[in-house]
Amino acid sequence: EVVLTQSPGTLSLSPGERATLSCRASQSITSSHLAWYQQKPGQAPRLLMYGASSRATGIPDRFSGSGSGTDFTLTISRLEPEDFAVYYCQQYSGSPWTFGQGTKVEIK
Amino acid sequence: EVQVVESGGGLVQPGGSLRLSCEASGFTFSTYWMAWVRQAPGKGLEWVANINQDGSEKYFVDSVKGRFTISRDNAKNSMYLHMNSLRADDTAVYYCARITPYAPGFGVYGMDVWGQGTTVTVSS
Repeated sequence: EVVLTQSPGTLSLSPGERATLSCRASQSITSSHLAWYQQKPGQAPRLLMYGASSRATGIPDRFSGSGSGTDFTLTISRLEPEDFAVYYCQQYSGSPWTFGQGTKVEIK
Repeated sequence: EVQVVESGGGLVQPGGSLRLSCEASGFTFSTYWMAWVRQAPGKGLEWVANINQDGSEKYFVDSVKGRFTISRDNAKNSMYLHMNSLRADDTAVYYCARITPYAPGFGVYGMDVWGQGTTVTVSS
């Protein structure tokens, strides 16, 4: 099973700042098999990125993804008020599909 | 509008059974893989199961193998999760999600349509 470890657990930032979220896999995965999701309290998750670096439909370009092998990054270039949420990475390189434990981006 | 709507959650005693339903609309349901993902109270997301377009391929997380089954009825645009021998650690919000193939030849997928979830509570 591929274990995904996200860091930090919580990121305290102000609107307008840059957010850098990390997702590390316990073994190398194909970069095309990594996705990122955003979840706000009481809501379902929302697909942000697929294939590690491609934005899903309707996702603003302040969101970007990168990485390969075991290290992946989600960057939010300038935080907007609606970006404060929990973010999860997810791999589907092997079964079972797994999610990271999440990074909470909170208002400082 | 493209959407999926879950139903069937509730309170069930340990060892009991429950069937969750997911009804899709606004897209050609029969052409998509579908998934169930759950989230225990205050916890992260956990993939539970997938099913392919015609129901001939099914995959499960180890913790539910032998207890849960997944099925679909394309004529009703619906997917189901049949849960047996329920345990307290199955307590969660269960989400239905569409799996979209962005580049299927390269294995690039994403769960791009999610329902609002249905809550399953296993308790005596």
